[in-house]
Amino acid sequence: AQKVTQAQTEISVVEKEDVTLDCVYETRDTTYYLFWYKQPPSGELVFLIRRNSFDEQNEISGRYSWNFQKSTSSFNFTITASQVVDSAVYFCALIKAAGNKLTFGGGTRVLVKP
Amino acid sequence: GAVVSQHPSWVICKSGTSVKIECRSLDFQATTMFWYRQFPKQSLMLMATSNEGSKATYEQGVEKDKFLINHASLTLSTLTVTSAHPEDSSFYICSARSILGPRSSYNEQFFGPGTRLTVL
Repeated sequence: AQKVTQAQTEISVVEKEDVTLDCVYETRDTTYYLFWYKQPPSGELVFLIRRNSFDEQNEISGRYSWNFQKSTSSFNFTITASQVVDSAVYFCALIKAAGNKLTFGGGTRVLVKP
Repeated sequence: GAVVSQHPSWVICKSGTSVKIECRSLDFQATTMFWYRQFPKQSLMLMATSNEGSKATYEQGVEKDKFLINHASLTLSTLTVTSAHPEDSSFYICSARSILGPRSSYNEQFFGPGTRLTVL
């Protein structure tokens, strides 16, 4: 069985602060994919990143960065210099390479105050 | 590419009526579509998986007679909430995937914008 845990339910920061969202996963599969999605108040899921289990390189995209550590089964997400527009719920998700079921974490609500 | 639409984006109905939600893949053929339900301040929960031309596979605890899913073509799946009740009020999200289409090797699903259902 797969499981994704996002321990932080809500994080509140002031604009320009950095914020790190934790994601810990459990799977018995050796080949899998990890995802992060953003869900703004409108409700639509916005794809942020995909990472396969064999690629442990960290990634940076603008103000977003991701730290994948297979040894600790974690795939953490950092927003640098947060902005009000970053306010949303962020979901971490996992799917095995040959599977159908995308398992979501509980989500972390980020509130960025001006 | 890989755009998925849903219609309607929101619907309000009376208790006891049936509501149909459409999910369309606009620029690729979706061999598999998924339906999720999301209650306020909660995560997405998979309801069912449907493959084109075959019966949907429902997750444990989801009533197949209440949530009818039809995946009649490679670009359209429908979810019908039959005899809706206030407890069915939720945000319903579909996603689509193709074994031949965009980013298929990554087993990626493309999500629709969601449909907010309110049952009075």
